[in-house]
Amino acid sequence: GDSVTQMEGPVTLSEEAFLTINCTYTATGYPSLFWYVQYPGEGLQLLLKATKADDKGSNKGFEATYRKETTSFHLEKGSVQVSDSAVYFCALSDQGSNYQLIWGAGTKLIIKP
Amino acid sequence: NAGVMQNPRHLVRRRGQEARLRCSPVKGHSHVYWYRQLPEEGLKFMVYLQKENIIDESGMPKERFSAEFPKEGPSILRIQQVVRGDSAAYFCASSPQSEQFFGPGTRLTVL
Repeated sequence: GDSVTQMEGPVTLSEEAFLTINCTYTATGYPSLFWYVQYPGEGLQLLLKATKADDKGSNKGFEATYRKETTSFHLEKGSVQVSDSAVYFCALSDQGSNYQLIWGAGTKLIIKP
Repeated sequence: NAGVMQNPRHLVRRRGQEARLRCSPVKGHSHVYWYRQLPEEGLKFMVYLQKENIIDESGMPKERFSAEFPKEGPSILRIQQVVRGDSAAYFCASSPQSEQFFGPGTRLTVL
């Protein structure tokens, strides 16, 4: 079945460092791909998404490109801030179901001042 | 501008007791979803409901678990005779159509 694999955390970086959180997927069809973020004590929020190959999702300085050839959707940010500390989830939605999201395990990001 | 509300945020139960988790969707949202996150794992879909209807419960365990979304009031996820393996974070999401808005989750601990 479809699955999502994320790099294990926690990832600890200094402020203004470059961020990459890896996400790869397996899917039989052409899924949509998502990154969600969960700040401490809050619910998950949609950060960005891409619905087809080569699409780039972006929001709040974060970017991710849907790479069909490598089945990846890595999250990047050029200069992280302390306020970016959170847990980041990669997810995909099956082509035939726009509500059943399949999730990665989450990657905890810690940014030190 | 209230988002999805879940309560309680933390719930402790002894084995064999019942757990009731509540979810109040965003006002005007008629679709509710429940997910479970076991330790060190991603979220797993459990059930999708609309007002007074269960649309898809393919992710729900066949026994002890039930969910409802009544015409009035919050959606309820009910777990009867809890076991230690039910310890997890339970997330609710609501949507007007397709994009899902998540609550902060309920962390259930079974002693």
